[in-house]
Amino acid sequence: NAGVTQTPKFQVLKTGQSMTLQCAQDMNHNSMYWYRQDPGMGLRLIYYSASEGTTDKGEVPNGYNVSRLNKREFSLRLESAAPSQTSVYFCASGHQAAYEQYFGPGTRLTVT
Amino acid sequence: QQPVQSPQAVILREGEDAVINCSSSKALYSVHWYRQKHGEAPVFLMILLKGGEQKGHEKISASFNEKKQQSSLYLTASQLSYSGTYFCGTEGGQGGKLIFGQGTELSVKP
Repeated sequence: NAGVTQTPKFQVLKTGQSMTLQCAQDMNHNSMYWYRQDPGMGLRLIYYSASEGTTDKGEVPNGYNVSRLNKREFSLRLESAAPSQTSVYFCASGHQAAYEQYFGPGTRLTVT
Repeated sequence: QQPVQSPQAVILREGEDAVINCSSSKALYSVHWYRQKHGEAPVFLMILLKGGEQKGHEKISASFNEKKQQSSLYLTASQLSYSGTYFCGTEGGQGGKLIFGQGTELSVKP
């Protein structure tokens, strides 16, 4: 089992460019999450999907969109990147509410 | 609203004990604890559920005071491998939506 995989591992964008971060899990989990991590801020939830076919906003959704493509895959799109979106992005998955979440290795994104 | 963790950082010698606290202003359904080593992804340690059920790590314990909306993580006889940043995540019964604290950096020295 690969667990949770994320691509790419690193990315540099220029202001205004768009990109999609990919996440996939092979643990048959219902719920998937996208977080961003900035120094001193902990992990902040961007969007989550409690089950296939549903998505909902987290704490910091502005500037992002998500797609739950199927049970395995949950993508995060930046339509017009801004320097404030420079961060480490983690995808996570879990069986359901009140169960542990498994995190992917992260994507380090720099917007110049 | 983000839960507040204390202390922000702690340095221990191997074998010493530590307590990390997590406090929320909202009613909680569950509290999750994770540890993150530098440059790596967070790893699950423990969940404490409303009603007292606890699931998780065998060498680290925790408590959950529902009335005070607080949780504490207890690390006893610390080992070098305990070093990292500890995060609590609180959930108010909203389908697994976790709000994480800002983290507590723990360093264990030989």
